[in-house]
Amino acid sequence: GAVVSQHPSRVICKSGTSVKIECRSLDFQATTMFWYRQFPKQSLMLMATSNEGSKATYEQGVEKDKFLINHASLTLSTLTVTSAHPEDSSFYICSARARAQGELFFGEGSRLTVL
Amino acid sequence: QKEVEQDPGPLSVPEGAIVSLNCTYSNSAFQYFMWYRQYSRKGPELLMYTYSSGNKEDGRFTAQVDKSSKYISLFIRDSQPSDSATYLCAMSVTSGSRLTFGEGTQLTVNP
Repeated sequence: GAVVSQHPSRVICKSGTSVKIECRSLDFQATTMFWYRQFPKQSLMLMATSNEGSKATYEQGVEKDKFLINHASLTLSTLTVTSAHPEDSSFYICSARARAQGELFFGEGSRLTVL
Repeated sequence: QKEVEQDPGPLSVPEGAIVSLNCTYSNSAFQYFMWYRQYSRKGPELLMYTYSSGNKEDGRFTAQVDKSSKYISLFIRDSQPSDSATYLCAMSVTSGSRLTFGEGTQLTVNP
């Protein structure tokens, strides 16, 4: 199946710093990418949907100025957690879709720990 | 009330057992139903994809959808220790729209 790669897989940062997580579709062009966060023993919560070349659509309750999403190319989307706080510590997962009705492929996830 | 309800478990079964995992939902507009498997600290991977009501079988896995009851199931036959993971149900209104996930059921298959 198609591969979606996330980097870094783990990151530890100090409170107040910003962290960037990359999501790449390695063997297909992703027209749409999704970003989720997952707390321990909980389900995936959709944070935002991004389409290449346009602004991301954020879910209710997700601060767009805190979680900056950029989908600059058809193979790369980035999530930047700005001024991170300990409560932002979570597992962040991206997914990508090649076509409007195509299968959704998930990345391996990135575990963020804010000290 | 959550749109999708799933018993989080944990569920522990002996190797070879038949496993039944279930989700209920409230949004009658959901038409596409999926089951994902997620190993610890990994992203989800798609196991089964079903449109509307009916059954779908793939190897040891069978997915069932009963739209009249708003109830979906995943059966795993001859369960293996390698099946130990968290199983997430997900559903969407159209094939390209956002997915709504269940909470996930943690399954352990003991050798």
